[in-house]
Amino acid sequence: AQTVTQSQPEMSVQEAETVTLSCTYDTSESDYYLFWYKQPPSRQMILVIRQEAYKQQNATENRFSVNFQKAAKSFSLKISDSQLGDAAMYFCAYRNPYNNNDMRFGAGTRLTVKP
Amino acid sequence: GAVVSQHPSRVICKSGTSVKIECRSLDFQATTMFWYRQFPKQSLMLMATSNEGSKATYEQGVEKDKFLINHASLTLSTLTVTSAHPEDSSFYICSASIISGNTIYFGEGSWLTVV
Repeated sequence: AQTVTQSQPEMSVQEAETVTLSCTYDTSESDYYLFWYKQPPSRQMILVIRQEAYKQQNATENRFSVNFQKAAKSFSLKISDSQLGDAAMYFCAYRNPYNNNDMRFGAGTRLTVKP
Repeated sequence: GAVVSQHPSRVICKSGTSVKIECRSLDFQATTMFWYRQFPKQSLMLMATSNEGSKATYEQGVEKDKFLINHASLTLSTLTVTSAHPEDSSFYICSASIISGNTIYFGEGSWLTVV
């Protein structure tokens, strides 16, 4: 079974600084999707960024970018110019496009942004 | 982005009764919907996957007779917790997928409290 590991239960960053959240995953598939979701105190899951495994180019969405290392099965999220509103739980997720049931989440990383 | 609406956001029910939670895709047709349960300070646990017009596929350890899932149309899936007990109290989240392998969009979640 595929697993997703987030080794950092908590992270802290100073406002306007940069922080990187780690995620590794295990799969035998060559084609899949990876996501980072943000869950603020409201509990609403918000998509931050997604990456298709067949694309070599790292995905970028404004201040959010990923470092996708397919061979190492690593998918880290970099948040630049951190803002107070970035404070939330961040979940890394893996999805197997060939199996609708296979959507796995990591344990999450709680990000605190200090003013 | 695609909108998924979940209702009710909060519900309190008496032990032994049943409660229904609805998940609607408002601006797209969802061939597949997912139901998750989230315990405090933990990640999302996939309960079941429902495909329109067919029986839901439950994850191992999830009681299908207790958590009834119906996906009667391409825009609506329901989760019914039958004979609810206090240990069923939790945060339940639904999500929907437009096309297999694409992004999954989440509802706002529902807090269930069984007293």
